[in-house]
Amino acid sequence: SQTIHQWPATLVQPVGSPLSLECTVEGTSNPNLYWYRQAAGRGLQLLFYSVGIGQISSEVPQNLSASRPQDRQFILSSKKLLLSDSGFYLCAWNQKKIYGYTFGSGTRLTVV
Amino acid sequence: SQKIEQNSEALNIQEGKTATLTCNYTNYSPAYLQWYRQDPGRGPVFLLLIRENEKEKRKERLKVTFDTTLKQSLFHITASQPADSATYLCALAPPSNSGYALNFGKGTSLLVTP
Repeated sequence: SQTIHQWPATLVQPVGSPLSLECTVEGTSNPNLYWYRQAAGRGLQLLFYSVGIGQISSEVPQNLSASRPQDRQFILSSKKLLLSDSGFYLCAWNQKKIYGYTFGSGTRLTVV
Repeated sequence: SQKIEQNSEALNIQEGKTATLTCNYTNYSPAYLQWYRQDPGRGPVFLLLIRENEKEKRKERLKVTFDTTLKQSLFHITASQPADSATYLCALAPPSNSGYALNFGKGTSLLVTP
């Protein structure tokens, strides 16, 4: 069966520090992968999506970046966090057809 | 600009009644629309997908309608239960990308009381 792993579950980081969030999918190959952020009281904001290794599309310009070094691994990074980067970060995947997404359990990031 | 609008006010209903949630959209021409459930502190969970050529879709106590002329989808939960209390999100794919990256509405919070 397919599973998605996302870690860490919570993270408190100082302003200006780097960030690395990792997401891996098991039990499938060549998935579409997505990063979303959900700020308090706001909807899900699409940050990045990837349809294959090394293929990253950015939806919102900001100080975040994403990479897909392996087929089932998706990494969200920042060199220097801002207070506004606080939020609930969610990774998701689906197959290359119009199927629903499967989301990870999320990372609650607080930048202090 | 593209918008997905869901009622921001929480919907409170009594157990056993039918809950109806609305999703309206502008500047989309979606081939399909999806509904998700999100519990506090958790990732959304996929519930239903309805295609543009389907007027209605059912899954157990859930029913979704899709009116591409009105640019609206309705999500119904019949015989609602307290366990149905959650936030429900609708989602569409904007035409500008590969078609798989979804935009989500902000969701409507449903509270079912005994």
